[in-house]
Amino acid sequence: DAGVTQSPTHLIKTRGQHVTLRCSPISGHKSVSWYQQVLGQGPQFIFQYYEKEERGRGNFPDRFSARQFPNYSSELNVNALLLGDSALYLCASSLVGRQASEKLFFGSGTQLSVL
Amino acid sequence: DQQVKQNSPSLSVQEGRISILNCDYTNSMFDYFLWYKKYPAEGPTFLISISSIKDKNEDGRFTVFLNKSAKHLSLHIVPSQPGDSAVYFCAARYYYNQGGKLIFGQGTELSVKP
Repeated sequence: DAGVTQSPTHLIKTRGQHVTLRCSPISGHKSVSWYQQVLGQGPQFIFQYYEKEERGRGNFPDRFSARQFPNYSSELNVNALLLGDSALYLCASSLVGRQASEKLFFGSGTQLSVL
Repeated sequence: DQQVKQNSPSLSVQEGRISILNCDYTNSMFDYFLWYKKYPAEGPTFLISISSIKDKNEDGRFTVFLNKSAKHLSLHIVPSQPGDSAVYFCAARYYYNQGGKLIFGQGTELSVKP
């Protein structure tokens, strides 16, 4: 079975541009979450989506948005890019339910560089 | 406000010896604690977890201990192998939040030398 897949793997943008990152969850997983990992730090929660609805949002500005599609894949959009948005963006999928959902399965991430 | 802290950025051990990675937390509402391992250019991989109602969970060479009174957990790897060299993240989940939100520590880079 395929794991969580993310595209693209690497991306270079300039300040002020817009970026869209894509994620396909593991088959059967209905919840998708997005995390930002800056070098030297742990992943930081951005969004969680379940059944196409936003279920949680981290402490990120409104320039960050996301959505989930009927097939449970997801997109993360970042507008008006800043240098500080340079990071590894990780997508994770999970089952939903008290016992099943404590474990997240991560993709390999998209490395975004903003110049 | 760092709710999950890993105070040791790096740890070096000899192959065959025990590796002990530590993690402290501040929020008593966390209901699950997890350890993830991360290699360069890959996403974090789940290693082991423990419910807040337990004090120990074991899986092969990996054991996680939870001390709720001290708000401290540790991961023991015995025996350590060179392939264990990676960055290890401690993470915690809120009780009321299903599925998505984990709070991660800063990570500890483990180096196991042959």
